[in-house]
Amino acid sequence: QKEVEQNSGPLSVPEGAIASLNCTYSDRGSQSFFWYRQYSGKSPELIMFIYSNGDKEDGRFTAQLNKASQYVSLLIRDSQPSDSATYLCAVNRVMDSNYQLIWGAGTKLIIKP
Amino acid sequence: NAGVTQTPKFQVLKTGQSMTLQCAQDMNHNSMYWYRQDPGMGLRLIYYSASEGTTDKGEVPNGYNVSRLNKREFSLRLESAAPSQTSVYFCASSEIQDSYNEQFFGPGTRLTVL
Repeated sequence: QKEVEQNSGPLSVPEGAIASLNCTYSDRGSQSFFWYRQYSGKSPELIMFIYSNGDKEDGRFTAQLNKASQYVSLLIRDSQPSDSATYLCAVNRVMDSNYQLIWGAGTKLIIKP
Repeated sequence: NAGVTQTPKFQVLKTGQSMTLQCAQDMNHNSMYWYRQDPGMGLRLIYYSASEGTTDKGEVPNGYNVSRLNKREFSLRLESAAPSQTSVYFCASSEIQDSYNEQFFGPGTRLTVL
């Protein structure tokens, strides 16, 4: 079992709809959680960070965290073609006294005009 | 403010050749990282440097060495390249190592080993 699991997709969503991306993790000691967006051929860029249970909203993006169930999700409202990218979930935990990000393989999202 | 820069952007090597990937950041960050990204596998940590003067192995260190030259620069060396090292390599940096470990990435180096 991978430490951080994501559905590889592709996830196809009509323009204007809500895209829902999910991520599960295995280490209950994980402290904080990140969503990065990666366009094809480009480097990852941070879009959301969450560390408390519940929802965190930033514009069209909402991150949801449930530590008891060990999952974190990302909702994208009013999806736009420019949201088409691969979304990487990363989990921050302590290893050998240092913080490390453990990455999922990513979910490819396609927004259809 | 260039952020994180990497050189070269592309490289083709023959099996057994060596090369060094360069990375520099101008954000005064303490921590720096080297990842590789392969299709379907996400980012895997090769080595990291929590602070100037320290380096530690990550998940996949075999076949690589690193040098934290100073606070700004962190290089990755392949001593004897193998086809299994064909990948996209990303350098990243973060201000400090804590629960908010936001990492900023360079543009990547696309390496092919024949």
